Order: sequence, then C-alpha cells, then structure tokens
Amino acid sequence: DVKVTQSSRYLVKRTGEKVFLECVQDMDHENMFWYRQDPGLGLRLIYFSYDVKMKEKGDIPEGYSVSREKKERFSLILESASTNQTSMYLCASSLSRAQSTYEQYFGPGTRLTVT
Amino acid sequence: RKEVEQDPGPFNVPEGATVAFNCTYSNSASQSFFWYRQDCRKEPKLLMSVYSSGNEDGRFTAQLNRASQYISLLIRDSKLSDSATYLCVVNMDSNYQLIWGAGTKLIIKP
Repeated sequence: DVKVTQSSRYLVKRTGEKVFLECVQDMDHENMFWYRQDPGLGLRLIYFSYDVKMKEKGDIPEGYSVSREKKERFSLILESASTNQTSMYLCASSLSRAQSTYEQYFGPGTRLTVT
Repeated sequence: RKEVEQDPGPFNVPEGATVAFNCTYSNSASQSFFWYRQDCRKEPKLLMSVYSSGNEDGRFTAQLNRASQYISLLIRDSKLSDSATYLCVVNMDSNYQLIWGAGTKLIIKP
C-alpha cells in the first residue's frame, strides 16, 4: 500500500509567521504535488515536482515555495503566512512521468488556520 | 467558466436507489478522465478511470461523452457507505497535472 504522510493534521499560525508543511511518501514515486482545497473551489495545484530538486509552479504558487531535497520528501513553505492561506493542504504523489497512469495518492491533509 | 464543473449537490438519495451525476469539462483537448471519492474530512481516493467506451466496476458505471464534453457516474443499488463527495478529474495528457472539479456531495439515507 502506498503511504503518504503529512507532518501535521491541524496547525494554527499567526499572520507573518513562516510555516513549513512536510510530506513523505514511501513508494519511490517520482511525482509529488501540493494542493489546497477550499469549499466550492476544488483542489488547486500550488506546486509540483517530478524529480529531486526539480519544481514547477502550479495554478496558485504566489506566497508559497517548495523544496525537494530527497525523492521521498516534498516540503511546502509559506514564507509569511496570511489569513487568506487558511485552508486544507493536501500532498499527493504519483508514480512517474513514463507511466500512463495518473493516479495520485494523497496524504491525510493539514488543516492550517492563520489568525 | 470553470474548466471542470460539477453540481455541488447535495444529492439526497434513499438506500437502494440509483443515482447519477454528470461533470462537464471545457477543454476539448482533455484526454483522460477520472472519478475520485472523498469521504468527510478524508483525502481523495481514486474510484475509477473513465474510458471512451465506458466502463463498469460493480455497482458503478462511468461514461464519457466527448461530443458534449461531459462524463457521468451512475451508482446502482446505493449503500449508506456510498455517502461521500465525488470529484470529477480531467487530464490533458502530455503532462501529469490533473484538473479537479469541486465535487458533488452524495448522501444516502436509510
């Protein structure tokens, strides 16, 4: 079974704080993704990575950065948290660029509240 | 216009009934289609892929209509455990990004 874990289920931070969200997958997947999910909007892609040290902007990268130093770990960084970044953050992984399957496996999510 | 649109529901359906919902997509270049299921406060999980010829998995049937740019999901003999939000997902091939609908909430009542 693929397992994707996220460092926290719930997080409360203050405006202006730097926030780190960690994601680890144990199935040697090449692709990793960070989404945020808000009511009525569906999942929106923030950043993704298809290899170590590689990153690509998704649809809403502003205010976020990422780091992928090891294949199994993909970190999302909020440089200066703002209240409009209050959301559910979901990390996902998928097998590889060469595979035709696009199935993504998700972590349990981190509900971040910025006050 | 959203790239992938779904009726948010909720669809309130009695146990044992058949329920169907659609999802429309705006980009005719879309190549791959999926239904994911998300339980309350849980992560999304793949329910089924949607093939051009349509496909069935037990009580679930998925259909694709390229001419009208929509996909559908039919659930027969619905169970209480089918209560969830169903997410329509589209991929335009040549990359591995998925475009997600906002989901349709289904509530099965005893």
